[in-house]
Amino acid sequence: DTEVTQTPKHLVMGMTNKKSLKCEQHMGHRAMYWYKQKAKKPPELMFVYSYEKLSINESVPSRFSPECPNSSLLNLHLHALQPEDSALYLCASNQEGYNEQFFGPGTRLTVL
Amino acid sequence: GENVEQHPSTLSVQEGDSAVIKCTYSDSASNYFPWYKQELGKRPQLIIDIRSNVGEKKDQRIAVTLNKTAKHFSLHITETQPEDSAVYFCAASDANFGNEKLTFGTGTRLTIIP
Repeated sequence: DTEVTQTPKHLVMGMTNKKSLKCEQHMGHRAMYWYKQKAKKPPELMFVYSYEKLSINESVPSRFSPECPNSSLLNLHLHALQPEDSALYLCASNQEGYNEQFFGPGTRLTVL
Repeated sequence: GENVEQHPSTLSVQEGDSAVIKCTYSDSASNYFPWYKQELGKRPQLIIDIRSNVGEKKDQRIAVTLNKTAKHFSLHITETQPEDSAVYFCAASDANFGNEKLTFGTGTRLTIIP
């Protein structure tokens, strides 16, 4: 398996809902990343996990809560989001010793 | 923190001509510079990257050049084809092998005119 997968592809949620985004990779990569991408903008880093530990948090609001249950799986728990949080959420991973980050297809999130 | 500027924001070239996209970065500690191509509705895909100990790298029709002194790097695409139409992002990081922050440029929308 040489891909990063993300589910769901699309998600529509209300401001009071709780939902989760899921990212998986089976390439043995030890670093995993969450990015947020607004329309016509570049990806912006949110979180980095290295060896299942949170190593970078780019001052993301607490309504976004990341979790790395094991080396293959990365979750992003969402609660009390705002309409401005609507965006494409991308997961990425890379292998120890290599810089290339492999991106998943993203989850397109709409907050109503 | 790192700041990456990218120009132009849009670029249209005739099929078969060359396209050049330029980026500048601010942090002299940055040592890894990838270029990503993102087609509409798709994920970013790495097309070429360069490290700070190399001045130029080529892969078929794509090349990247790096000037560390001036803190700028460029993407060159020769013999452009319609499938090259996409948004291209440059990025920079002080690469720490698997635990790093990529800072992206603002993107260039490249359109190849048949």
